[in-house]
Amino acid sequence: ETGVTQSPTHLIKTRGQQVTLRCSSQSGHNTVSWYQQALGQGPQFIFQYYREEENGRGNFPPRFSGLQFPNYSSELNVNALELDDSALYLCASSWGEGRNTEAFFGQGTRLTVV
Amino acid sequence: AQSVTQLGSHVSVSEGALVLLRCNYSSSVPPYLFWYVQYPNQGLQLLLKYTTGATLVKGINGFEAEFKKSETSFHLTKPSAHMSDAAEYFCAVSSNSGYALNFGKGTSLLVTP
Repeated sequence: ETGVTQSPTHLIKTRGQQVTLRCSSQSGHNTVSWYQQALGQGPQFIFQYYREEENGRGNFPPRFSGLQFPNYSSELNVNALELDDSALYLCASSWGEGRNTEAFFGQGTRLTVV
Repeated sequence: AQSVTQLGSHVSVSEGALVLLRCNYSSSVPPYLFWYVQYPNQGLQLLLKYTTGATLVKGINGFEAEFKKSETSFHLTKPSAHMSDAAEYFCAVSSNSGYALNFGKGTSLLVTP
């Protein structure tokens, strides 16, 4: 059973550019959530995808968007990058969307915006 | 909205000493509570969770936590710290809708020889 994998592990982008981060969910999981973790902070919920539909969103602007594919892998896209977007981006997968569902996290993608 | 507050951004203990990491929650509905650990340059790993039932929850690596409704707390403990316990610990509460985890700011645990 493979766990949650994210790519790339690190990347550096310039302010104003666009970036796509990728996540492969754990085998058998149909729900993917994305979190942003700024340095020294706890993860902040960006959005969740369940069966290819966005079913929840945190307090992030529309330039943060995502997709979930039929194999339940997912992408996070960020347009018009800002310096404050520099953070560790975490993907988590789970089975279902209930309140007590255990989320399994990937190792994250470290994004640096310069 | 559901939220958690972790008291103490840094905690230092000696190897073999008791570990106590504090978490208080605020929730308008019966809370579902979680503790996660994050090692350097890693993602988050679930230590334990409380949903319903027994208020003393046992997790991995010898950690446990007790849900106290009267105190709105869910503190994490371990009787004897190991050097390998040094990491960042996050308390989280499930949102009403169930699709989000609301995390605290984390507590960095340092274990000294």
